[in-house]
Order: sequence, then structure tokens, then C-alpha cells
Amino acid sequence: AQSVTQLDSQVPVFEEAPVELRCNYSSSVSVYLFWYVQYPNQGLQLLLKYLSGSTLVKGINGFEAEFNKSQTSFHLRKPSVHISDTAEYFCAVRYNDMRFGAGTRLTVKP
Amino acid sequence: DTAVSQTPKYLVTQMGNDKSIKCEQNLGHDTMYWYKQDSKKFLKIMFSYNNKELIINETVPNRFSPKSPDKAHLNLHINSLELGDSAVYFCASTQTGELFFGEGSRLTVL
Repeated sequence: AQSVTQLDSQVPVFEEAPVELRCNYSSSVSVYLFWYVQYPNQGLQLLLKYLSGSTLVKGINGFEAEFNKSQTSFHLRKPSVHISDTAEYFCAVRYNDMRFGAGTRLTVKP
Repeated sequence: DTAVSQTPKYLVTQMGNDKSIKCEQNLGHDTMYWYKQDSKKFLKIMFSYNNKELIINETVPNRFSPKSPDKAHLNLHINSLELGDSAVYFCASTQTGELFFGEGSRLTVL
């Protein structure tokens, strides 16, 4: 069965600083990988996805992620964050169904 | 036009009561899910239906019963509510890639 580990439960950063949210997955088969964002009191919104092809995936709001098969990682990055990026971020892996990591709370401070 | 809609958005009820949450998707997807998000934001898969048939039934108490009258609808009925059922319940639909989520239904059991 597949599983996902998000290595940081909370990441505080200052505005305009770069950020990386780490995600590792475990699976014995090829999977699809996703990052979702959840703003307070809202549902989950897709940031980006890796299905196949280029290992560097660009998403909405300036985020990107790199699929690394040898390290079984799918870390999310943004070169310069804004206050409005403050939210909960979820990494997810899909084979037959979608499994989520525990989430990383990104807090952007002025 | 909302792709995945859930009703009601908020439910406050007493222990022991029975309640239902409805979900509808207009995306033409074959597969729908229910997820439970606890107070620590952890997302746990509960059920998955594919074209009205139950595919996944995780370790969920029998008090929870999903029903899919057609592939565009997946409802969740909960009997004999307990304090621990308090959570946000998310409905989602998918075809082959990412999940599309509803806005969530916040259930509070007093």
C-alpha cells in the first residue's frame, strides 16, 4: 500500500523568502503525486500534480515541485512567498485511491 | 456553477441523533469519495464509490452508511452520533487524476 510522509508539521517563513515543503512517499508501484492547499474554512484546492513526463512540475500561484524517484520525494517549492500563501498544504499519492500526508502548516510573517 | 457541492455546510446536533450529509458532482466523474478531517487536519479516507458501487470501505464504524443513488450523488448517513464524530467531512470526485473536493460539512456533536 502507498503512504505519504510530510516531514514538517509547521513551517514559518518571512514574506518574500523562499520556502520548501518536504514530502516523501512509499509505494511499490508507480503512483501519481499531488500537492493540495487548504485555506481556512475551505475545501482542498489542487496546486499541482505529477502523472508522468517531466519531473519538474509547475503549478498555480508560483509553486513548483520536483519528482525524485530515487529518493521517493516530491518536495514543493516557491522562490518568494506572500502573506496570502499562509495555509495548510497536503501532499498526496494516488494508486487505486488517494492517500494524504498529515499536512504542513505554512505561516508567512510580514 | 459548483463542481462538487455538499449540504449542509454546518451541522450541530446532540449525541445519539442521526444525521445525513449530501454530495453532488456535475463533472461527470465515475468515482466519488468521503473523507473525514479531524481537528488536527488529518484527512482520512472513509469510502469510495465507482459508478454507484462500493469500492473502498476503510475501518469505519457501522454507524456510517454511504449511499449512492446514481453516479453523480454520494450521501453519508450517520446513526447514533458520538462526540468523536465531530469533524469536517469532505466529499470528492475523480475520473483518473486529481480529486475535486467539495467545501466540506462541519459536524459538531454536543
